[in-house]
Amino acid sequence: EAGVAQSPRYKIIEKRQSVAFWCNPISGHATLYWYQQILGQGPKLLIQFQNNGVVDDSQLPKDRFSAERLKGVDSTLKIQPAKLEDSAVYLCASRPVRQGPYEQYFGPGTRLTVT
Amino acid sequence: GNSVTQMEGPVTLSEEAFLTINCTYTATGYPSLFWYVQYPGEGLQLLLKATKADDKGSNKGFEATYRKETTSFHLEKGSVQVSDSAVYFCALRHAGNMLTFGGGTRLMVKP
Repeated sequence: EAGVAQSPRYKIIEKRQSVAFWCNPISGHATLYWYQQILGQGPKLLIQFQNNGVVDDSQLPKDRFSAERLKGVDSTLKIQPAKLEDSAVYLCASRPVRQGPYEQYFGPGTRLTVT
Repeated sequence: GNSVTQMEGPVTLSEEAFLTINCTYTATGYPSLFWYVQYPGEGLQLLLKATKADDKGSNKGFEATYRKETTSFHLEKGSVQVSDSAVYFCALRHAGNMLTFGGGTRLMVKP
């Protein structure tokens, strides 16, 4: 079974530029998460999708971050415009359904450096 | 609110040494508790979990016991190997199946 795929793996941009990250969850997984992991810290949830609907985006800085999962499969996370403090690893995770004793499976992450 | 506190690293041990990484939590209700491991250049992998008080999670020689009275979930391994070098994250799962992570503890095992 293929795992969670993310691209690109690395991205370097200048502040005020835009960037987008892509995630392809495990086939059949209805729930998808985006996390931000700043160096030296644990991952922090940004947004949770159930199929193509947003379940929780309370931690998403909506003035600059946006995310979508239009067809309930792939997802894109965008930052516009980027700030220096957005430098982090962005992790995508998926699980089969929202409820129940199912675990989250994580992708390898996209490392963003904002200069 | 919910939070997880881990001992700060790095933890440096010699091969075959005993490992303990402390983890305490604050939560409402009865969360499930997890240890995740992150090897260099890879994503987070679930190492073990416990879903109720006094449960012991175990995997690959690692163990952790859910202690509700002390709100702790310390990770232990009797004999570490160089291949165990990684960053370890304690986490709790609460309402909506969302995870709250601790800050991570880097383990370095020397041959």
